[in-house]
Amino acid sequence: GAGVSQSPRYKVAKRGQDVALRCDPISGHVSLFWYQQALGQGPEFLTYFQNEAQLDKSGLPSDRFFAERPEGSVSTLKIQRTQQEDSAVYLCASSLGGRTGELFFGEGSRLTVL
Amino acid sequence: QKEVEQDPGPLSVPEGAIVSLNCTYSNSAFQYFMWYRQYSRKGPELLMYTYSSGNKEDGRFTAQVDKSSKYISLFIRDSQPSDSATYLCAMSPSTGGGNKLTFGTGTQLKVEL
Repeated sequence: GAGVSQSPRYKVAKRGQDVALRCDPISGHVSLFWYQQALGQGPEFLTYFQNEAQLDKSGLPSDRFFAERPEGSVSTLKIQRTQQEDSAVYLCASSLGGRTGELFFGEGSRLTVL
Repeated sequence: QKEVEQDPGPLSVPEGAIVSLNCTYSNSAFQYFMWYRQYSRKGPELLMYTYSSGNKEDGRFTAQVDKSSKYISLFIRDSQPSDSATYLCAMSPSTGGGNKLTFGTGTQLKVEL
């Protein structure tokens, strides 16, 4: 597709359930980022991939959060044993990398934990 | 205290007004400054990107950076109802593939007919 595609757009989970959020970046984009955006807040960095290598995961809030990009294209963010504080929009962004580094964001996956 | 501070608004202006949006920051390592626009239930989209102190103009939009004061601004001239959105400032110490952005809270703007 022309842009970054994320699925599902909306996810409701009961507390304690595991969820998986998918990101399909723009074709050819080397860099992939995950951000978390709580209601009324700006996006906060979670993790960064360059191709299949996860180079920075400093923003992951706990070991319940796990991200992968095994073939250097599609990425999955997994949240285990979801908690109410995990409720947020999870944004994926990709870029060509290099010096320009402009990020192109997807529309996000809105997670609500009951 | 957050590294990037931004008034969340909401800010309501009449059509045709000049809008001024601002952010302050505390981390002097930030060298690259961006403004993103985010419509409701959409992802952020890049509006302006600046590196050095000074002004950068693109159509109705002007971005201003004052590194000495750690203060950045976005001006929108002749505002239109279609400009109604949340405006996020973002900054980074570097550019390139690993440019981790730090965002402000976002200012919600409404331009009324």
